[in-house]
Amino acid sequence: NAGVTQTPKFRVLKTGQSMTLLCAQDMNHEYMYWYRQDPGMGLRLIHYSVGEGTTAKGEVPDGYNVSRLKKQNFLLGLESAAPSQTSVYFCASSFDWVTGTDTQYFGPGTRLTVL
Amino acid sequence: DAKTTQPPSMDCAEGRAANLPCNHSTISGNEYVYWYRQIHSQGPQYIIHGLKNNETNEMASLIITEDRKSSTLILPHATLRDTAVYYCIVRVRGYGGSQGNLIFGKGTKLSVKP
Repeated sequence: NAGVTQTPKFRVLKTGQSMTLLCAQDMNHEYMYWYRQDPGMGLRLIHYSVGEGTTAKGEVPDGYNVSRLKKQNFLLGLESAAPSQTSVYFCASSFDWVTGTDTQYFGPGTRLTVL
Repeated sequence: DAKTTQPPSMDCAEGRAANLPCNHSTISGNEYVYWYRQIHSQGPQYIIHGLKNNETNEMASLIITEDRKSSTLILPHATLRDTAVYYCIVRVRGYGGSQGNLIFGKGTKLSVKP
């Protein structure tokens, strides 16, 4: 089991460029989440999904879009990157119908810098 | 905003028990207390959770007061590798929506010293 993986690990963008962050999980979890973490701060929820084909806004959704076309993948898109989106992005997944456990497991993070 | 209050930092000697407090005075009856930690800049790692009874696993023990307004995470024999930011979070368990989401505060930075 790889758990939760994130691609890429690092990225540098110029203002106005677009990119997609990919999160994949192999634990058959129903729920998936995208967070951002700024220096010295706790994680803040951007968007989340409670199942394939569904998405919902979190605390800080502006400037981001997401898609959950497959149960195991959750994509985070930045259509026009801004310096304020420089951050570390974490993906997480949770909830297994078989065991009933809903502990969130996190990926290693993607460090994004927008110049 | 986070529904918990934690001290910003604590020190602990290696090999001693680390006791990390958390106040959650507005906790609801169906909310659990969760603890996560974040080592350096890695993804947060789940430690333990509980509702009202004390809990223990291979990593730590969780002591919840009878009125559930506060709790303490205990690392019985802290090592240098336990140096991390520890987050105490209250949430509804098993709910696939906003009530079940994790809300992270700033946590407690635990420094384990030789």
